[in-house]
Amino acid sequence: AQTVTQSQPEMSVQEAETVTLSCTYDTSESDYYLFWYKQPPSRQMILVIRQEAYKQQNATENRFSVNFQKAAKSFSLKISDSQLGDAAMYFCAYRSFGDQLTFGKGTKLSVIP
Amino acid sequence: NAGVTQTPKFQVLKTGQSMTLQCAQDMNHNSMYWYRQDPGMGLRLIYYSASEGTTDKGEVPNGYNVSRLNKREFSLRLESAAPSQTSVYFCASSEAPGRQETQYFGPGTRLLVL
Repeated sequence: AQTVTQSQPEMSVQEAETVTLSCTYDTSESDYYLFWYKQPPSRQMILVIRQEAYKQQNATENRFSVNFQKAAKSFSLKISDSQLGDAAMYFCAYRSFGDQLTFGKGTKLSVIP
Repeated sequence: NAGVTQTPKFQVLKTGQSMTLQCAQDMNHNSMYWYRQDPGMGLRLIYYSASEGTTDKGEVPNGYNVSRLNKREFSLRLESAAPSQTSVYFCASSEAPGRQETQYFGPGTRLLVL
């Protein structure tokens, strides 16, 4: 089974600053997708960004971007200009063909005003 | 569009009682999923339905059954609830079961088994 590891259970960032959340994964596949989901206190799971393994260009969505290092099996999320609304649990997830979505255990992000 | 809806939002059960968690989606998605989320854990897949008429076990299926009632609805049943099933349950759907398909989640059902 694939594994996804988020080594930072909790992190904090000052409002307007930048923070990077780490994620590593274990796979023998060459073709797969990676996702970051946000879970605010409302518990709703919201897709933040996704990355296809075959694309070398890192995905970006407004203030959110990823650093995808395929050889290192690393997929970190960078949040720029952090806002109070960014405070949430962030989950990294992996999916390959014929497999199901596998989640990491999450990183709790606090934003300090 | 409501997206993915779940009922109830919160439920308290006694050990041994049964209940069904309901999930519906209005996005015309083919695939639906049930996950559970426990403290300090990510989401773990219980069962999924790749398409109407099919269901398959996920990572943690013991103690649960599912029914894909039609394309819109996918229910999760606990026949004899146990305290270990205290959790938050999420339903999700995606257009197809491919690896690139984004899954859209419901708001969750918080279940407490005493």
